[in-house]
Amino acid sequence: AQKITQTQPGMFVQEKEAVTLDCTYDTSDPSYGLFWYKQPSSGEMIFLIYQGSYDQQNATEGRYSLNFQKARKSANLVISASQLGDSAMYFCAMKGAGGSYIPTFGRGTSLIVHP
Amino acid sequence: GAVVSQHPSRVICKSGTSVKIECRSLDFQATTMFWYRQFPKQSLMLMATSNEGSKATYEQGVEKDKFLINHASLTLSTLTVTSAHPEDSSFYICSASNAGGNTGELFFGEGSRLTVL
Repeated sequence: AQKITQTQPGMFVQEKEAVTLDCTYDTSDPSYGLFWYKQPSSGEMIFLIYQGSYDQQNATEGRYSLNFQKARKSANLVISASQLGDSAMYFCAMKGAGGSYIPTFGRGTSLIVHP
Repeated sequence: GAVVSQHPSRVICKSGTSVKIECRSLDFQATTMFWYRQFPKQSLMLMATSNEGSKATYEQGVEKDKFLINHASLTLSTLTVTSAHPEDSSFYICSASNAGGNTGELFFGEGSRLTVL
């Protein structure tokens, strides 16, 4: 079975600073994908970044980067130069191959960016 | 990128009525779509996996007679909340993938906020 753990229910960061949102996972699948989504108060789920389990390089998308540490089974999201518009819920998710293709989501982290 | 459209975004209905929510993949064929329910400040709770041309697979504790899912085509899945009651009020959101296995981004609809009076 797959499991995603986000241990930070809430995080605060000053505008323009960097912040790391934690995510650890557990799976028996050798092949899997890790995702981060942002959910603002409007409710839409916005895709941020994807990391495949066999990817050698850490994924980056603009101000978002994924610190993938496979041995530790962690996939932390790093947001650099935080902006007020980054305030939202952030969800870590995982999809496996074969029978574990159903996506699993963490409980989410609420990020608040202070001016 | 691929787009998933969900409609309606908000619906208010009287207790006892049925409400249908549509989820469409606009530019790709989605053999599998997922329906989630989300309570305020909580994570997404998977309700069911919708497979085109076959019956949906419901998660434990989800009443299949209450939440009817139909996936009649590769681009459309519908969730019907039958005989809705106030406790069914929630945020419902669908997602679809344009690839199988562990790859392929999950694309989400905009979500539907249901309020049952």
